[in-house]
Amino acid sequence: GAGVSQTPSNKVTEKGKYVELRCDPISGHTALYWYRQSLGQGPEFLIYFQGTGAADDSGLPNDRFFAVRPEGSVSTLKIQRTERGDSAVYLCASSRGQGLETQYFGPGTRLLVL
Amino acid sequence: AQSVSQHNHHVILSEAASLELGCNYSYGGTVNLFWYVQYPGQHLQLLLKYFSGDPLVKGIKGFEAEFIKSKFSFNLRKPSVQWSDTAEYFCAASGSARQLTFGSGTQLTVLP
Repeated sequence: GAGVSQTPSNKVTEKGKYVELRCDPISGHTALYWYRQSLGQGPEFLIYFQGTGAADDSGLPNDRFFAVRPEGSVSTLKIQRTERGDSAVYLCASSRGQGLETQYFGPGTRLLVL
Repeated sequence: AQSVSQHNHHVILSEAASLELGCNYSYGGTVNLFWYVQYPGQHLQLLLKYFSGDPLVKGIKGFEAEFIKSKFSFNLRKPSVQWSDTAEYFCAASGSARQLTFGSGTQLTVLP
């Protein structure tokens, strides 16, 4: 079956602009995660959804970042007033949402803020 | 604070050499451990995972890892590497919260 998909694959924007990154999880997966990976680092947790609600948003770096998952499937990560330091690969992962389990990752969106 | 450390940033081996990549974690309470791999141009894929039970875990493509609680370690091993194993390897951990904490990764280059 289809894996996790993310769009766009690449996004170039200017400092101060608003961007939206989209994640389509594996069908039937109720848990969805966003991570951010900076150059030379491992992924860092941003936010986790169980269904439509954000179960844990402790990784969001500041109030310019927020994410939604209104119907419990597709999720959008939104970044306001982008800064050059936001440049990174944004990864989405999904899992069945049933306790200990594997997270399946998408290909990521590479964001470059000029 | 929860953390995962990978001390080898770049490892270069010849084909057929044995591999061991180090991973140490700092977690309070129950810990679940994972190794993910990212081949060039591809997304992160799970190699193996440890939740409980036998501390020696076998994964795909001949990889294995051993959970040593007393050393807070979960090192990845493979007896004989192939050129196709060239990739970046990430150790990760989770606890009662579901999110993964990743190490900084080890780039493995296997020379033909």
